[in-house]
Amino acid sequence: AQKITQTQPGMFVQEKEAVTLDCTYDTSDPSYGLFWYKQPSSGEMIFLIYQGSYDQQNATEGRYSLNFQKARKSANLVISASQLGDSAMYFCAMREKWTGRRALTFGSGTRLQVQP
Amino acid sequence: DSGVTQTPKHLITATGQRVTLRCSPRSGDLSVYWYQQSLDQGLQFLIHYYNGEERAKGNILERFSAQQFPDLHSELNLSSLELGDSALYFCAAQAGLEDEAFFGQGTRLTVV
Repeated sequence: AQKITQTQPGMFVQEKEAVTLDCTYDTSDPSYGLFWYKQPSSGEMIFLIYQGSYDQQNATEGRYSLNFQKARKSANLVISASQLGDSAMYFCAMREKWTGRRALTFGSGTRLQVQP
Repeated sequence: DSGVTQTPKHLITATGQRVTLRCSPRSGDLSVYWYQQSLDQGLQFLIHYYNGEERAKGNILERFSAQQFPDLHSELNLSSLELGDSALYFCAAQAGLEDEAFFGQGTRLTVV
C-alpha cells in the first residue's frame, strides 16, 4: 500500500497566486515527520518545510506553509505568491520514528508550472 | 547549497561495469542515506549508515553495496550494471536520527 500519495501529477498556477499541493499519508506509527522537497529541473532536492506529528501548529517557512490535518492524514503544501522560480517537481515525504526505519518514504511528486 | 557533496555529478558507463559513487556529508552529520530516483520507480530508499554502521536496508539490489568510512563519507558501489540501473542517485545526510535530511546534488548514472 502506498504510504505517501500525491494525486496531482501536474499543476498550473498563475504568477503571484497561491497554490496548494496535496499529500496524504498512511502510517500506524504515532510519531512521524512530514517533509516537502522541491526538485528543480537541475535535479537537486531542496528541503522546504517540516511538520512533526505532535506539532500543535502548522509549519510555515516564508512563502511555504503546511496545512496539516492529522485526522485526515493529509499534509498539503501551500505556496503563496507563486514565482516563476517555483516551477519544479515537489515531493512529499514521511519519516516514521517507532518502526525503526528513519529513511524517507516519498510520494510520486507533483510537477508545478508557474505561468507569467 | 546543502553542504552535502556528491561526486561525480555525471557518470556514463557500459553494461556489466562497476562504479563507485561518493558522498561527503557536512561536518557533524553522522547519518548518510542513499536513494535512487528513476522514472519508473520514483524515489526509493536504498541503504542507511549511521556513524559507520549499517542501520537499515531498503530496496537495494545484491549487486549494490555501500559503506561509511571513519571520516563519515560514504560510498555506494554498483556492480554488474544493467541498463535499468540508469538513474539519479542521491545521498542525504543528517546530524542525528531525528534531524532534517540534506541532500547532495545527486549523481546521474547512465548505463549504455
